[in-house]
Amino acid sequence: GAVVSQHPSRVICKSGTSVKIECRSLDFQATTMFWYRQFPKQSLMLMATSNEGSKATYEQGVEKDKFLINHASLTLSTLTVTSAHPEDSSFYICSARDGQNFYNEQFFGPGTRLTVL
Amino acid sequence: AQTVTQSQPEMSVQEAETVTLSCTYDTSENNYYLFWYKQPPSRQMILVIRQEAYKQQNATENRFSVNFQKAAKSFSLKISDSQLGDTAMYFCAFRVAAGNKLTFGGGTRVLVKP
Repeated sequence: GAVVSQHPSRVICKSGTSVKIECRSLDFQATTMFWYRQFPKQSLMLMATSNEGSKATYEQGVEKDKFLINHASLTLSTLTVTSAHPEDSSFYICSARDGQNFYNEQFFGPGTRLTVL
Repeated sequence: AQTVTQSQPEMSVQEAETVTLSCTYDTSENNYYLFWYKQPPSRQMILVIRQEAYKQQNATENRFSVNFQKAAKSFSLKISDSQLGDTAMYFCAFRVAAGNKLTFGGGTRVLVKP
């Protein structure tokens, strides 16, 4: 089956620093990847849609300059949280859309827990 | 815009019993998919079952089945013969067939008791 990995699985950083999270599709090419944020005991909130070779599309209320997304290849998208603050602490999940899948299904990564001190 | 509503924040069920999770949605689209995802304590999202809106037959995957009522915009999930490993958050989700974005409901926490 389609596998999506995320790295790192958890990261702790100091306030004001930047953190990069990688999302990789391991056995398929993903022209589209998605980044979600999930607060404890809440649902997934879509932050942005990442398209290979073009700029990401951000959801309303998501700061583009705070959450930088790069989708430079068909198997890799990165999310960089710039100048992180404690309120950015959250669980970040990526998913990748397999265009060859009949249902254009999204496959999810295992998530990254970010803690900003 | 689509909305997905799960009205049950938490449910508990005895092992081997059956539990049904509710989901309603609102859309003006005619061609779409509905999904149930499971998020266990590991937090890995796992697809449980999918339903195409154009199919009248309810989807079934082993112990999991859905009751899809298109006119009522209702999409419930039944878990039969509940197992301890079914303990998780369950999310109902909607996607326009030709679209990309998934819209999630707020989730239902299911606890299977031994």
